[in-house]
Amino acid sequence: KNQVEQSPQSLIILEGKNCTLQCNYTVSPFSNLRWYKQDTGRGPVSLTIMTFSENTKSNGRYTATLDADTKQSSLHITASQLSDSASYICVVSAGGSYIPTFGRGTSLIVHP
Amino acid sequence: GAVVSQHPSRVICKSGTSVKIECRSLDFQATTMFWYRQFPKQSLMLMATSNEGSKATYEQGVEKDKFLINHASLTLSTLTVTSAHPEDSSFYICSAKIAGGPINEQFFGPGTRLTVL
Repeated sequence: KNQVEQSPQSLIILEGKNCTLQCNYTVSPFSNLRWYKQDTGRGPVSLTIMTFSENTKSNGRYTATLDADTKQSSLHITASQLSDSASYICVVSAGGSYIPTFGRGTSLIVHP
Repeated sequence: GAVVSQHPSRVICKSGTSVKIECRSLDFQATTMFWYRQFPKQSLMLMATSNEGSKATYEQGVEKDKFLINHASLTLSTLTVTSAHPEDSSFYICSAKIAGGPINEQFFGPGTRLTVL
């Protein structure tokens, strides 16, 4: 069964600090992995997308890594801002399927 | 590009009434749209896949007679929650796939918060 597990479930950090969110998956055959940011009461917005051959991808202060061998991904947020407070969802797609597998998300709260 | 809108963004209704939620792709054609439901602190759960001009495909456990889906054009899909009850209160999100685009790339709408009293 395809699964996506994220950790931690929630995280509180101070403004300006860095943090790293984790995603482990068992989706097969692997096609791509996306990280989404979902603000409260809003739809998810794509941050990064990574395919099998990509190890790192950055989008501003967001850097995603992918280890296809261990089936792990991380999202690193640098110099956090109050606006980074949101839920971050890891979504993994299998080859040939248009229905991805969603993680439960990590709720990040950035305090001033 | 690839903007998806939903209307309304928020709706409150009485138990037993029906509510229609619209999902529109604003700058692209979408042969396939998806409807998700999200409960507090939970991830998105796929309810159904909507294909333009054909019947929707519902996920296991989703009542097709309760959640009516119509995808009459390449830019519009609607979800009607019939005879809504308080347990239907949730955040409903649609997404759309660009016609001819990558098979597993979806663009999400902003969501609709449904509260059934």
